[in-house]
Amino acid sequence: GAVVSQHPSWVICKSGTSVKIECRSLDFQATTMFWYRQFPKQSLMLMATSNEGSKATYEQGVEKDKFLINHASLTLSTLTVTSAHPEDSSFYICSALNRVGTYGYQPQHFGDGTRLSIL
Amino acid sequence: AQKITQTQPGMFVQEKEAVTLDCTYDTSDQSYGLFWYKQPSSGEMIFLIYQGSYDEQNATEGRYSLNFQKARKSANLVISASQLGDSAMYFCAMREGRGSNTGKLIFGQGTTLQVKP
Repeated sequence: GAVVSQHPSWVICKSGTSVKIECRSLDFQATTMFWYRQFPKQSLMLMATSNEGSKATYEQGVEKDKFLINHASLTLSTLTVTSAHPEDSSFYICSALNRVGTYGYQPQHFGDGTRLSIL
Repeated sequence: AQKITQTQPGMFVQEKEAVTLDCTYDTSDQSYGLFWYKQPSSGEMIFLIYQGSYDEQNATEGRYSLNFQKARKSANLVISASQLGDSAMYFCAMREGRGSNTGKLIFGQGTTLQVKP
């Protein structure tokens, strides 16, 4: 089945540090990738939609200068949390859609997520 | 606006029994897709089952089945013969966008299922 790799799984760093999270589709080409944020016991909140070769589309209320997204290839998207602060601590998870065929019946394939803790 | 509602924050079920997790949705689109995902405590999102709005039969995948009632706009997940490993958070989601071109998903609030031995 389709596999999405997300790295790192855990990050603990000091306030003010920038953190990069990678999302890779291992066995398919992903035209579109999505980045979510999730707080404990809550639903996934879509942050942005990332299309290969173009600028990401951010959801309302998400700071694009704080959360930089790059989708440089059909298999890699990155999320950089710039100058992270404790309030940025959260679970971040990416997903990818296979470019083959239509989107209608295809599920998003998720990475395993990244737990980010800012001290 | 499109919306997914899961009204059960938490559910308990005895091992080997069946359980139904509720999901209702609201959309003005004629073409849409409905998904269920499982999220164990480790955090990964596991795709369980899909139902298309034009599918005439309810979707089934092993112990998972989707009770799709289009007129009522409900897409309940039925898990048969519950196992301890089914304990997790379950999310209902809908594909947004006419013709599903965006691929974007809208998620419900989730239901935490605990299976008792």
